[in-house]
Amino acid sequence: DAGITQSPRHKVTETGTPVTLRCHQTENHRYMYWYRQDPEHGLRLIHYSYGVKDTDKGEVSDGYSVSRSKTEDFLLTLESATSSQTSVYFCAIRGPDFNYGYTFGSGTRLTVV
Amino acid sequence: AQSVSQHNHHVILSEAASLELGCNYSYGGTVNLFWYVQYPGQHLQLLLKYFSGDPLVKGIKGFEAEFIKSKFSFNLRKPSVQWSDTAEYFCAVNSGNTPLVFGKGTRLSVIA
Repeated sequence: DAGITQSPRHKVTETGTPVTLRCHQTENHRYMYWYRQDPEHGLRLIHYSYGVKDTDKGEVSDGYSVSRSKTEDFLLTLESATSSQTSVYFCAIRGPDFNYGYTFGSGTRLTVV
Repeated sequence: AQSVSQHNHHVILSEAASLELGCNYSYGGTVNLFWYVQYPGQHLQLLLKYFSGDPLVKGIKGFEAEFIKSKFSFNLRKPSVQWSDTAEYFCAVNSGNTPLVFGKGTRLSVIA
């Protein structure tokens, strides 16, 4: 959808290497989220942000860190990638009120070999 | 903690058949409810949402959902499915500003 982009779209990396995924929005929304999608688990929340430098953990935060130094960018870092982190990662943004749904980015398919 | 259960993992229907996908959530307070659709190889898109008022919610592409508070349910329906409805469907819930919690999804395959 317009207003939210993720990069890269695909990445293959080796076990033990650090990886950073980027989510960029042009909507100036306060709330941003990182989810991972796996066939047996559906979507699970990794981390989210409710403002610049304000972040919180989600259900599956171990092995991941995030940073939000400006409103438009929300970075997800895998500190030392493992095969269990092979997944599709989606970023989402939420409008100004709680009664807005989320708008999702196109996803990053990450393979850890 | 909130949780969402989607009863059907994979549903196969013929074109023109009626669809009902189940969704139950576990939270006793005020909730916001959503259905998202993910077409093959794409990201999630919002189908419909419920916050308050009329428990029968109409969304895009002819979908609707009914909130039944006493049953903690928010089932998705469509009177007549098309081949283009083949996708994965996710139910989600939150309350206030808490992050959305998703069900594991139901894969719908529509055959000619």
